[in-house]
Amino acid sequence: AQKITQTQPGMFVQEKEAVTLDCTYDTSDPSYGLFWYKQPSSGEMIFLIYQGSYDQQNATEGRYSLNFQKARKSANLVISASQLGDSAMYFCAMREDNFNKFYFGSGTKLNVKP
Amino acid sequence: GAGVSQSPSNKVTEKGKDVELRCDPISGHTALYWYRQSLGQGLEFLIYFQGNSAPDKSGLPSDRFSAERTGGSVSTLTIQRTQQEDSAVYLCASSILVGLAGGRASYEQYFGPGTRLTVT
Repeated sequence: AQKITQTQPGMFVQEKEAVTLDCTYDTSDPSYGLFWYKQPSSGEMIFLIYQGSYDQQNATEGRYSLNFQKARKSANLVISASQLGDSAMYFCAMREDNFNKFYFGSGTKLNVKP
Repeated sequence: GAGVSQSPSNKVTEKGKDVELRCDPISGHTALYWYRQSLGQGLEFLIYFQGNSAPDKSGLPSDRFSAERTGGSVSTLTIQRTQQEDSAVYLCASSILVGLAGGRASYEQYFGPGTRLTVT
């Protein structure tokens, strides 16, 4: 079974609007971390936000927030007030604390329209 | 401080040749990962090093792939007898446990710029 599933290969959003990128995960480890990374066309991987499995509140970092629904095993990324510079690939990832690998989803390509 | 560096940034090689890709992690980071990213695809885990522990090689696609990490710092990924399907971007990341606000902690990964390998 896939550890991380991103079901949206591509998304479009109008500039200044909010957008949600979906991510579901699969683990039996009670302790894990969830991550989102941005990969612009330049190829670098940029860390955006982190959510721990025991965190009581949803993580927020500036315009990024993580909608963590533990029972549903989902960790959707919400980008508010989209900007043209947000156009990129976005990857969801998970690290199980009993193991050391990071599992990555297949990514969602976000295009922000002016 | 300096981030993760990788060399070369680009490598073109003929099928059947061996290649070595280098990763210099952030000083003090105990964990080091290698990933492969084919064009338009996600990241494929290859191998993981943590301190002096035996590496987790479970992601290496064949015995043509090997990696070592000398002195707990620099790592070299070696691909022997390269094939065209080995063409991809090879990304290295180093990781450390970092404290976050509110007493939380996270293993953040810091990625290098990657090596683009083309096998002709």
